[in-house]
Amino acid sequence: DAKTTQPNSMESNEEEPVHLPCNHSTISGTDYIHWYRQLPSQGPEYVIHGLTSNVNNRMASLAIAEDRKSSTLILHRATLRDAAVYYCIPRSGSARQLTFGSGTQLTVLP
Amino acid sequence: SAVISQKPSRDICQRGTSLTIQCQVDSQVTMMFWYRQQPGQSLTLIATANQGSEATYESGFVIDKFPISRPNLTFSTLTVSNMSPEDSSIYLCSALGRGKYGYTFGSGTRLTVV
Repeated sequence: DAKTTQPNSMESNEEEPVHLPCNHSTISGTDYIHWYRQLPSQGPEYVIHGLTSNVNNRMASLAIAEDRKSSTLILHRATLRDAAVYYCIPRSGSARQLTFGSGTQLTVLP
Repeated sequence: SAVISQKPSRDICQRGTSLTIQCQVDSQVTMMFWYRQQPGQSLTLIATANQGSEATYESGFVIDKFPISRPNLTFSTLTVSNMSPEDSSIYLCSALGRGKYGYTFGSGTRLTVV
């Protein structure tokens, strides 16, 4: 599995955009980049995933660098409910499981 | 996506005893997994629960300590055997459905061993 580097923690003000970076320089060409988040006292939940192109869904946007060695999860307007640990997870098509790194603890300030 | 019910949600157990955690999915899923999350840490995969056959364990986890069953496509159990205080953790069940790209997780079982 590709190793990932994420900031240990980040802060954001409520209703402002948040950019959560992830470095995955050892990613292989066929690995999808998945993002999950874990709210307090909950199991992780799926946020978004992509391969090469930028992706949008109702929760977030995913911007993938052209060389695929990094990606950024974008929350367009942070809410207090978005306070969570965010995990960036490269996953190959042949892998059955998710391998979690240390993630980024996002704090949203009112 | 699939919804997972995991029980118990928490328990306090005496050392030397065993606890069985149940994971029920509301639809048939292709794969089920068990993770451990120690306080303040990330998730570590314990094993993949295989339907109708022995689970596949990750390095550092053994069947005698963490026996797993998966009798059908919607249910699995994890037993934490002969518990010690070092087993105090959150244990989470996860599932991947057919044709789905997203993994679903239960809310976890918070285990305290005294």
